[in-house]
Amino acid sequence: EPEVTQTPSHQVTQMGQEVILRCVPISNHLYFYWYRQILGQKVEFLVSFYNNEISEKSEIFDDQFSVERPDGSNFTLKIRSTKLEDSAMYFCASRRLLAGGREEQFFGPGTRLTVL
Amino acid sequence: SQKIEQNSEALNIQEGKTATLTCNYTNYSPAYLQWYRQDPGRGPVFLLLIRENEKEKRKERLKVTFDTTLKQSLFHITASQPADSATYLCALVRYNNNDMRFGAGTRLTVKP
Repeated sequence: EPEVTQTPSHQVTQMGQEVILRCVPISNHLYFYWYRQILGQKVEFLVSFYNNEISEKSEIFDDQFSVERPDGSNFTLKIRSTKLEDSAMYFCASRRLLAGGREEQFFGPGTRLTVL
Repeated sequence: SQKIEQNSEALNIQEGKTATLTCNYTNYSPAYLQWYRQDPGRGPVFLLLIRENEKEKRKERLKVTFDTTLKQSLFHITASQPADSATYLCALVRYNNNDMRFGAGTRLTVKP
């Protein structure tokens, strides 16, 4: 069964460094998402991406964050200058086609980001 | 401000009983409500989706209700099993919107 994959599974970085988290969504999906989950807290929406552009973003997704679909398969989240509070699990998700919340999202296993 | 609240942080029940989890929301008008299961260190896994004009949805041992007047959804697991132990998340989406907002989750433990 097709699944969303994410690399790396764990990333450790120094404060102020740039990180790129990578995702390969399910191949026939058209909507892509990034979420984060700080340890012990709820899953928080960061950004949605459709047709090669951001369709929505939350208040968390500030200028330090960017997303890209550099080729036909990868979807990346870049954090330009990491802060301690960026330490969290980052989940990528994708879904097929229907607008809004009319269908499920498929989540990847997550990348645990630790900022020292 | 928008709030999505799940009734309790943790719920412990005996195997075979029905687990009932609650999701309440304020200052929000969701068109769709989804329930996900999350195991420790893993991503959420979709369980059920219910639309604002639907009152109830079932799938095997799972049942979801959605009351837009009360601004509440109930999620039931009947004949619960220890394998049902996990955190259950409700998630809301507004019509033609793409940002899905999650509640904090309820950690269910089913004891044998």
